[in-house]
Amino acid sequence: GAGVSQSPSNKVTEKGKDVELRCDPISGHTALYWYRQSLGQGLEFLIYFQGNSAPDKSGLPSDRFSAERTGGSVSTLTIQRTQQEDSAVYLCASSSDPRETQYFGPGTRLLVL
Amino acid sequence: AQKVTQAQTEISVVEKEDVTLDCVYETRDTTYYLFWYKQPPSGELVFLIRRNSFDEQNEISGRYSWNFQKSTSSFNFTITASQVVDSAVYFCALSEGERAGSYQLTFGKGTKLSVIP
Repeated sequence: GAGVSQSPSNKVTEKGKDVELRCDPISGHTALYWYRQSLGQGLEFLIYFQGNSAPDKSGLPSDRFSAERTGGSVSTLTIQRTQQEDSAVYLCASSSDPRETQYFGPGTRLLVL
Repeated sequence: AQKVTQAQTEISVVEKEDVTLDCVYETRDTTYYLFWYKQPPSGELVFLIRRNSFDEQNEISGRYSWNFQKSTSSFNFTITASQVVDSAVYFCALSEGERAGSYQLTFGKGTKLSVIP
């Protein structure tokens, strides 16, 4: 079956602009995660969704970051007023259950000029 | 707090050599899960293995093998007879959910493996 898909694959934006990153999880997967990979910080957890439960936002670095998951499927990560330090690869992962293996999408490479 | 340490930043081996990638973890939970992921130059994280804390049995999959030892909090990964296609960054990761509930992955910094032909 299809894996996790993310769009766009690359995004270049100017400092101060807002961006939206999209994630389509594997069909039927109830758990969805966002991570960020940057040279300085490695792989970091951002936010977690599980079914209709309130998301775990404990990894979001600032209030400029937000995410939503509509209908228990597609998720959008929004970064407002982007800064140069937001430049990174944003990875989405999904799993059939929180205890099970997380499968990753190809990522969105974000460059803030 | 959970933590994963991969002390080896970069390793170079000649093709057909065996290589072991080290992973040491810290957790206060009694139930947790350990993972290895491979990130080739293309960038996508590829799942390799998942172990739970109650299963210390070592695992072998083709040229890959994993040694899980709770006594030393280690989960090491060995590639036998390495090949050029094994060149990648390998990440060890830990998830625990008893406290936080989210089972988010905590990653090590990764080990970059270069296999020289």
